[in-house]
Amino acid sequence: NAGVTQTPKFQVLKTGQSMTLQCAQDMNHNSMYWYRQDPGMGLRLIYYSASEGTTDKGEVPNGYNVSRLNKREFSLRLESAAPSQTSVYFCASTSLMGEKLFFGSGTQLSVL
Amino acid sequence: GESVGLHLPTLSVQEGDNSIINCAYSNSASDYFIWYKQESGKGPQFIIDIRSNMDKRQGQRVTVLLNKTVKHLSLQIAATQPGDSAVYFCAENGRGTGTASKLTFGTGTRLQVTL
Repeated sequence: NAGVTQTPKFQVLKTGQSMTLQCAQDMNHNSMYWYRQDPGMGLRLIYYSASEGTTDKGEVPNGYNVSRLNKREFSLRLESAAPSQTSVYFCASTSLMGEKLFFGSGTQLSVL
Repeated sequence: GESVGLHLPTLSVQEGDNSIINCAYSNSASDYFIWYKQESGKGPQFIIDIRSNMDKRQGQRVTVLLNKTVKHLSLQIAATQPGDSAVYFCAENGRGTGTASKLTFGTGTRLQVTL
């Protein structure tokens, strides 16, 4: 029972490089989310997908793009990484928006 | 905008004692609240949730109390164990803000259990 799986677990990028963070859930959830977590701050919502085929901006979407590939998978792309995007990124999913989220184990990203 | 906050950033508790972690919320339209535990290097794990039509809910060694009058939420952990050491987050769903309902998280309280 994997739940929410994120890859990679760690990544180091140089400023200007691009990368895609992958997320997959096996709980048949409709809604998926990407959060970032910075020291001393709570989880901040980057983008979310209420259902397959839809995506919407969250609190801090600038510099990111997302793709809801199918019901299971929701990817986050950094087109041109900046040091301000150094953070821990969490993917989450739920069967009912606004209620219990199931989180992945996170991706620690450093942009030099 | 609306926010969820915590009174204490760090709480030290002796093993075996009870822990109380507090959270203030400001969105009176929120009707769902939840607590998460996050251990170092891991993702947040669900502990317990409560709806606004309840004042109290109990789980295994944990109790959540909701006081809607003063917009306050607390998490009580009975007989605190070393394995309870973690950061604890509260969140509210902000229902009624006019946008799709989403959880808004507080900044977290670190619980340190001393032997």
